[in-house]
Amino acid sequence: EAGVTQFPSHSVIEKGQTVTLRCDPISGHDNLYWYRRVMGKEIKFLLHFVKESKQDESGMPNNRFLAERTGGTYSTLKVQPAELEDSGVYFCASSQDLSGGGELFFGEGSRLTVL
Amino acid sequence: GDSVTQMEGPVTLSEEAFLTINCTYTATGYPSLFWYVQYPGEGLQLLLKATKADDKGSNKGFEATYRKETTSFHLEKGSVQVSDSAVYFCALFRYNFNKFYFGSGTKLNVKP
Repeated sequence: EAGVTQFPSHSVIEKGQTVTLRCDPISGHDNLYWYRRVMGKEIKFLLHFVKESKQDESGMPNNRFLAERTGGTYSTLKVQPAELEDSGVYFCASSQDLSGGGELFFGEGSRLTVL
Repeated sequence: GDSVTQMEGPVTLSEEAFLTINCTYTATGYPSLFWYVQYPGEGLQLLLKATKADDKGSNKGFEATYRKETTSFHLEKGSVQVSDSAVYFCALFRYNFNKFYFGSGTKLNVKP
């Protein structure tokens, strides 16, 4: 069974440009999460989808970030326009059911470098 | 708010040394506690978990005990191997928020 896949693995862009990150969760997983790790700090929550609906987007830093999950399958996270402080590793994770302390399955991450 | 604090790295050990990575948490209620590991070039994967106080999670020779009285979930291994070199993340899960909170990660380097 394929795991969570993310694309691209690394993106280098200039300040002011746009980048779109993609996440393909494990098939059948309704829950999809985006997280970000900046400069070796803690992994911070960005948002949570249940199927195609945004369950919680309280971690989104500002309106330059837009996440979508059309059809409840893959998700995209667009940063427009990118700023220097957006650099970091963006992780996607999916799960079927987190009741009882279930498991999150993570992708390898997309490293974003904004110059 | 809820948070996880873990010891800063990197931690460098020789093979077969004893490992402890400290983790403490702040949370109301009764969260579940986790250790995730990220090997070079890979995504995070679950190492072990504990869902209630005094539970001990264990896997691959690693173990951690959920200590509510000290709000801790320290990771231990009696004899590390070079293949254990990775970044280790402590995390807690709050059911009512359906959200994970992660620590900053501790990088472990094991030398032969």
